[in-house]
Amino acid sequence: DAKTTQPNSMESNEEEPVHLPCNHSTISGTDYIHWYRQLPSQGPEYVIHGLTSNVNNRMASLAIAEDRKSSTLILHRATLRDAAVYYCILRDDYGGSQGNLIFGKGTKLSVKP
Amino acid sequence: EAQVTQNPRYLITVTGKKLTVTCSQNMNHEYMSWYRQDPGLGLRQIYYSMNVEVTDKGDVPEGYKVSRKEKRNFPLILESPSPNQTSLYFCASSLSQRTYNEQFFGPGTRLTVL
Repeated sequence: DAKTTQPNSMESNEEEPVHLPCNHSTISGTDYIHWYRQLPSQGPEYVIHGLTSNVNNRMASLAIAEDRKSSTLILHRATLRDAAVYYCILRDDYGGSQGNLIFGKGTKLSVKP
Repeated sequence: EAQVTQNPRYLITVTGKKLTVTCSQNMNHEYMSWYRQDPGLGLRQIYYSMNVEVTDKGDVPEGYKVSRKEKRNFPLILESPSPNQTSLYFCASSLSQRTYNEQFFGPGTRLTVL
């Protein structure tokens, strides 16, 4: 699985949008972009994933650059509950995969009231 | 409620005393795995299981055993724990190992080996 680069930390104000960037310049054509987050004292939690097109779900939006070398996770209105470490993970999809998620250091998001 | 449960949540033990951390999921998932999380090293996969009676080593399997006799359960066994196995452990499950299946994580087990 290819490597990703994320800022160590970011701050946001409550009820404002948050854009969390991720660089993955060595991404291959079959790598999916996944985002997970880990709230304090909890296990990781799936947020969203995509391949080429932008994706939306109830939690967030994922914007993928046209060349796929970067992506941005968008939280439309940050709440205090969104304070967590956010991980951008690339996963190749092939039948022989051991299915593991390779977590980097992630971005620690702080949300101010 | 769909969930992955782990027991115990906290455990302090001594070197060499065998222990088992249980993991159970109620989503009929085929794929289950164990991770450990250590400061500065992130989460690393210990073992995984594609289905009942099918298990395989992850990236850091030394000192651990697993079994998958039933679909819902995937216990992690430390036959002779050592202090370097002090860590935060997470069990995860998903429909399959394929990338489009999201993984669900348990709440974690904090293990201290003295």
